[in-house]
Amino acid sequence: NAGVTQTPKFRVLKTGQSMTLLCAQDMNHEYMYWYRQDPGMGLRLIHYSVGEGTTAKGEVPDGYNVSRLKKQNFLLGLESAAPSQTSVYFCASRPKGYLNEKLFFGSGTQLSVL
Amino acid sequence: SQQGEEDPQALSIQEGENATMNCSYKTSINNLQWYRQNSGRGLVHLILIRSNEREKHSGRLRVTLDTSKKSSSLLITASRAADTASYFCATGVLKRAGSYQLTFGKGTKLSVIP
Repeated sequence: NAGVTQTPKFRVLKTGQSMTLLCAQDMNHEYMYWYRQDPGMGLRLIHYSVGEGTTAKGEVPDGYNVSRLKKQNFLLGLESAAPSQTSVYFCASRPKGYLNEKLFFGSGTQLSVL
Repeated sequence: SQQGEEDPQALSIQEGENATMNCSYKTSINNLQWYRQNSGRGLVHLILIRSNEREKHSGRLRVTLDTSKKSSSLLITASRAADTASYFCATGVLKRAGSYQLTFGKGTKLSVIP
């Protein structure tokens, strides 16, 4: 049981390049989330999904797109990377239901945009 | 915007001492969670306390919640070097059916000196 797996773990991009971060969970969770973590800023929600085929914007969605074509996968895309998107990205998931608020996190993707 | 705000930002104690971290927030919440993050790793859920609860224990952890003061505290008793990590509070709000918003604070960095 791997939990939440993020790939890649590290990536360096040049400004303007595109890339996709993959999050996969094997816990059959309905909800999935993408956060970014910057020094002194804590975690901020980028996008989230409440089920297969659905996505919604979080606190800082600009410059990112997401897709949830399969229940177990949640993809985060950067179409044209900017230095301001240098950050550590975390994916999280949780089961559906009011009493299931605990999030399960992946180990993160460290992204540098030069 | 950030909901929870931890205090202090950094805390350094000797092994065996107790560590107390505080979290203040601004608006009404349904519950509050505490997470731990070891350097370079993802967040791990520690404990959740609901708005109708005042205190909760889990092993060496004790969490209190004062909704009138909009604050929570996390106490780690008899600290160990392995407790060295960053600790985050996250406030949970149910927006509408099926929509649960979890907002993280900036964290307290705890160093336990052997």
